[in-house]
Order: sequence, then C-alpha cells, then structure tokens
Amino acid sequence: AQSVTQPDIHITVSEGASLELRCNYSYGATPYLFWYVQSPGQGLQLLLKYFSGDTLVQGIKGFEAEFKRSQSSFNLRKPSVHWSDAAEYFCAVGADDYKLSFGAGTTVTVRA
Amino acid sequence: GAVVSQHPSRVICKSGTSVKIECRSLDFQATTMFWYRQFPKQSLMLMATSNEGSKATYEQGVEKDKFLINHASLTLSTLTVTSAHPEDSSFYICSATRTGGNGYEQYFGPGTRLTVT
Repeated sequence: AQSVTQPDIHITVSEGASLELRCNYSYGATPYLFWYVQSPGQGLQLLLKYFSGDTLVQGIKGFEAEFKRSQSSFNLRKPSVHWSDAAEYFCAVGADDYKLSFGAGTTVTVRA
Repeated sequence: GAVVSQHPSRVICKSGTSVKIECRSLDFQATTMFWYRQFPKQSLMLMATSNEGSKATYEQGVEKDKFLINHASLTLSTLTVTSAHPEDSSFYICSATRTGGNGYEQYFGPGTRLTVT
C-alpha cells in the first residue's frame, strides 16, 4: 500500500520569499505523484503531477516540484510567494486503480 | 480545464433524515469517481470508489448501508447519507478521474458541508 509523509505541519514564510514543502512517499512501483492546494472551506486544486519523464515538473501558479527516486521525495517549491498562496497543501501518491493516498497536509501562512 | 461540481454546498438536516449529495464532472466523462470525508484541519479520508455502471467499493470501516453511492452516468455520482446522525456531520468531497495519454488526474469538487442537528 502506498503512503505519504509531509513532515512539516505548518510553515510561515514572508511574502516574496521562497517556499519549499517536503513530501516523502512509499510505494512499491513507479509512483504517480500529485500536489494539491486547498483554501479554507474549498475543494482541492491540482497544482502539478508527475508520472514519468522529466523529474522537474512545472505547475500552475508558479509552482514546481522535483521527483527524486533515490530519496523517495517529491518536494514542492515556489521562488517567490504571494499572500494568496496561504493555504493548505497536500501531497498525494496515486496507484494504478486511480486511488490517491494523501499526506497530512502542510499549512502555509504568508506574513507581510 | 476540468471542472467538477457538487450540490449542495451546504446542507443542514435533522437527525434521522437522509441527505443526497451530487457530484458532476461538467466537461469530461469519468468512469471512476471517489468520495472523501474531511474533518477540520485534517487530511482527506477516502470513503469509497464509485464506478459507473457497477457497485461502489467501500473502504474498510465505512458503512455501505449508511453511505449509499450511485454512479448512474459517466458524469454523475451521488452520495446519500441515510439516517443521518450528528457524528455524520463533516465536509464531504468528491473527485472525478480524467484519464489520458499521460496517466490520469483527479479533479475535486468544492465540497459539501453537512451539519446534522
């Protein structure tokens, strides 16, 4: 069975600073990896995904993530955060049956 | 882009009544949809897999007679919470699977806030 660990429960970052959110996964086969963002009281929005190919993946809203098989990681980055990036971020690993297993999430707070 | 809607966005019902939540994929067909439950400040808990034209598959610990799922078409899945009780109060989110040449994607609805009084 697949699983995901997001080690950071809460991250505070200054507006304009860079952001990195960590994600480690466990899966026996080649993983399908996703990052989602959730604003309060809303559903989840897909930021980016990795299935194969280039290990550096570009997503929406200026986010990118890098798949590192040797470290079983799929960390999310953004060079310069905006106040609107304050939200909950979830990393997920998907199986061949389309089921997703989510990490516990990381809350991002952006200070002015 | 892919859009998934949920209706209603909020519902309040009395204990013992049933509530139906609809999940629709608006611009693509989805043979597989999922239903999740989310508690405050927690991650999503998968409840069941909804497959078009067949019975839903429930995760361990989820009562299939309480949470009835119907996937009648390629764009619609419904979750009915039967004989609702206050402990069923939660945020319910659906997702629809879009498949393509490069794997698949799950698109999520905006969620339904259920409050049982």
